[in-house]
Amino acid sequence: KAGVTQTPRYLIKTRGQQVTLSCSPISGHRSVSWYQQTPGQGLQFLFEYFSETQRNKGNFPGRFSGRQFSNSRSEMNVSTLELGDSALYLCASSLELAKNIQYFGAGTRLSVL
Amino acid sequence: AQKITQTQPGMFVQEKEAVTLDCTYDTSDQSYGLFWYKQPSSGEMIFLIYQGSYDEQNATEGRYSLNFQKARKSANLVISASQLGDSAMYFCAMSAYNQGGKLIFGQGTELSVKP
Repeated sequence: KAGVTQTPRYLIKTRGQQVTLSCSPISGHRSVSWYQQTPGQGLQFLFEYFSETQRNKGNFPGRFSGRQFSNSRSEMNVSTLELGDSALYLCASSLELAKNIQYFGAGTRLSVL
Repeated sequence: AQKITQTQPGMFVQEKEAVTLDCTYDTSDQSYGLFWYKQPSSGEMIFLIYQGSYDEQNATEGRYSLNFQKARKSANLVISASQLGDSAMYFCAMSAYNQGGKLIFGQGTELSVKP
């Protein structure tokens, strides 16, 4: 069974641009969550999707958005990139919303110049 | 609000010895899960072990065991017979069941295994 797949693995952008990251969950998993990891702030929850609906959102500005498709694949978008958005973005999938183990992908490392 | 505290930024252990990584948590929720993840330098978060708040027995997964002390709000990870491949960052996390799957992470402990 394939794990969580995130594309691309690495990305370099400049300030002001926008970026879209993709996440394909484990087959059969319906919940997808996104996390941002930085050396200063650690791992922070961005948002969670289940059945194409955002169920939970972390404390991030509106420049961070996401969506989930009918096949459970998810994308997150960051508009008007800032230097501080440089981070490792991790996607995780689980069978259901709660009481389930989340399995993570390898992440997308975003560098904003 | 929930909080996870890992007080050991870095630890060393000799190969084949056991090591305990500390984790304390704070929550007012009664139903929650506790998790440990391993993150090698490649970046991927690897699930190690899970403990539910109502589980009476400590969880075990191969060489990993979780020492769950609910009254003290601690969920320490014990790795037995350390291997060189165990060198990585280790994160403790929790999820309150009434908040879906949202994970709150600690700051992590960097474990180095010496040959």
